[in-house]
Amino acid sequence: EPEVTQTPSHQVTQMGQEVILRCVPISNHLYFYWYRQILGQKVEFLVSFYNNEISEKSEIFDDQFSVERPDGSNFTLKIRSTKLEDSAMYFCASTSASPLHFGNGTRLTVT
Amino acid sequence: AQSVSQHNHHVILSEAASLELGCNYSYGGTVNLFWYVQYPGQHLQLLLKYFSGDPLVKGIKGFEAEFIKSKFSFNLRKPSVQWSDTAEYFCAVLTGNNRLAFGKGNQVVVIP
Repeated sequence: EPEVTQTPSHQVTQMGQEVILRCVPISNHLYFYWYRQILGQKVEFLVSFYNNEISEKSEIFDDQFSVERPDGSNFTLKIRSTKLEDSAMYFCASTSASPLHFGNGTRLTVT
Repeated sequence: AQSVSQHNHHVILSEAASLELGCNYSYGGTVNLFWYVQYPGQHLQLLLKYFSGDPLVKGIKGFEAEFIKSKFSFNLRKPSVQWSDTAEYFCAVLTGNNRLAFGKGNQVVVIP
């Protein structure tokens, strides 16, 4: 069964640095998402992406965040200047219709 | 905005015990509801979903959930758990734009 893949599985970065989290969605899917889960809290929606543009974003997704689908297969989340509170598990998901298929997640640790 | 409430965040039980996890949602219109499971070190996986029709939904691994519209609930059940059911369980409701709103999750530990 095809899977959503995410790399790296764990990223450690210093506060203020830029990070790029990478995702390869399932190939025939058209809708792409980023969610995050801060330790001990809910899984939270960040952003959805369709037809090469953001279709919806949450209040968490401020100017420090950006998404890109650079080459038709990868779907990236960039955090321009990381903060301590960005430490979380970041999940990529994709779908052609419901339900969402999730990747294994990237654990981001900001020190 | 749609939201989901899950109670009893930590559940510890013995093998062969029955499990029921509560989920309440807030939304007055047509709802699409999901239960996801996250095994240790793994990604979120779909257990089951409800869109319409029979309110008793059967999922994988012996799980089922019942949609009760009058109670705004979608509780997850399994009659007899196994050690391998140790995981975190998330209820979610589909909002507009195919966006999922998750509950806080239930951490379930099954003791052999």
